[in-house]
Amino acid sequence: AQKITQTQPGMFVQEKEAVTLDCTYDTSDPSYGLFWYKQPSSGEMIFLIYQGSYDQQNATEGRYSLNFQKARKSANLVISASQLGDSAMYFCAMRDRTSGTYKYIFGTGTRLKVLA
Amino acid sequence: GAGVSQSPSNKVTEKGKDVELRCDPISGHTALYWYRQSLGQGLEFLIYFQGNSAPDKSGLPSDRFSAERTGGSVSTLTIQRTQQEDSAVYLCASSLGLSNTGELFFGEGSRLTVL
Repeated sequence: AQKITQTQPGMFVQEKEAVTLDCTYDTSDPSYGLFWYKQPSSGEMIFLIYQGSYDQQNATEGRYSLNFQKARKSANLVISASQLGDSAMYFCAMRDRTSGTYKYIFGTGTRLKVLA
Repeated sequence: GAGVSQSPSNKVTEKGKDVELRCDPISGHTALYWYRQSLGQGLEFLIYFQGNSAPDKSGLPSDRFSAERTGGSVSTLTIQRTQQEDSAVYLCASSLGLSNTGELFFGEGSRLTVL
């Protein structure tokens, strides 16, 4: 069955420090995609980073990197040099075809607060 | 416009009334998704369109919920006989499919409040 789990409801990090947001997943589809989205208090959903199941290297986008451990079925987001503007809700998502169609499912989110 | 457009942005209705929420996806995006987000919660999948057909309606909570898509573009989510538990933000997203990363592009949502 498709499943995405984010076990950290809330996280704090000091400005300029790095932070890791956890995400584990489960799927029987060998071909899947993993995504991270940021949702500020304004409510918009902002795409951050993508990792394909067959990608050999961890994805990176600026200060964001995805620590992909396929055997452990984890896809943690690492934010380096945190900024005050990083305070937001972060969602991990997975796309696969377990249900027969390309469905994207989301975790419950982690609320990150960056402290000055 | 360049992004996914949703209307209305806010809707307040009385219990028992019907509501229609509209989504205009990015031009050329064949895949369209509806999600529901209750206050402080994650995103709950409702329905997926590929073109005008809906291969996956498994997330619709009850038969009071329906959706259609016409011309491979605009989609309407209809909630009949609204209940207070329907209060949420309804998010629409579109995608090019599996081109590149295939990420979802989201609209700003329609906030529904049922009194």
